[in-house]
Amino acid sequence: RKEVEQDPGPFNVPEGATVAFNCTYSNSASQSFFWYRQDCRKEPKLLMSVYSSGNEDGRFTAQLNRASQYISLLIRDSKLSDSATYLCVVLMDSSYKLIFGSGTRLLVRP
Amino acid sequence: GAGVSQSPSNKVTEKGKDVELRCDPISGHTALYWYRQSLGQGLEFLIYFQGNSAPDKSGLPSDRFSAERTGGSVSTLTIQRTQQEDSAVYLCASSPALVYEQFFGPGTRLTVL
Repeated sequence: RKEVEQDPGPFNVPEGATVAFNCTYSNSASQSFFWYRQDCRKEPKLLMSVYSSGNEDGRFTAQLNRASQYISLLIRDSKLSDSATYLCVVLMDSSYKLIFGSGTRLLVRP
Repeated sequence: GAGVSQSPSNKVTEKGKDVELRCDPISGHTALYWYRQSLGQGLEFLIYFQGNSAPDKSGLPSDRFSAERTGGSVSTLTIQRTQQEDSAVYLCASSPALVYEQFFGPGTRLTVL
């Protein structure tokens, strides 16, 4: 079983739609969680950290469910520019490694 | 300020040659990481440095891979006797400390013919 699992997609949605991605992780000792965004042939960039209480940044909302070991990302009012691959990332504090999921691809159409 | 930089941006080499990839982290960032990403795949952790020390080398794929960091700044990843399966984008990231968010460089695209 992969340490971090994501649905690869693609998710193909119209502009203005709300879309949600889920991610599961296997190591219950994982402490820190992030969503990164990666555009085609570009490096990953931090989208947002994920806090236990849940957090929101504009149109983006991230939630963490430690009991079920999953993380979610909700994007409201999708824009064409949201088209990218979204990477779920878990930081293993014991080893300081970032473990990346293989990503969920989002395509927002006009 | 300046972000993480990597050089070269592209490297084409012949099987069996050695290559050296360079990473310049964000100034003041003590932690530095190397990853690789094969075509259509997720990121694979290779090694991290805290200062000049690399406590965990378990992610390096084989003994052909080595990395060093000097002066707590620039790092080089060396691949000896390259193989075709080494072809990938090699990404470097840095962070202010080990448990902070990581900032990635643009990567070096390595192609082994």
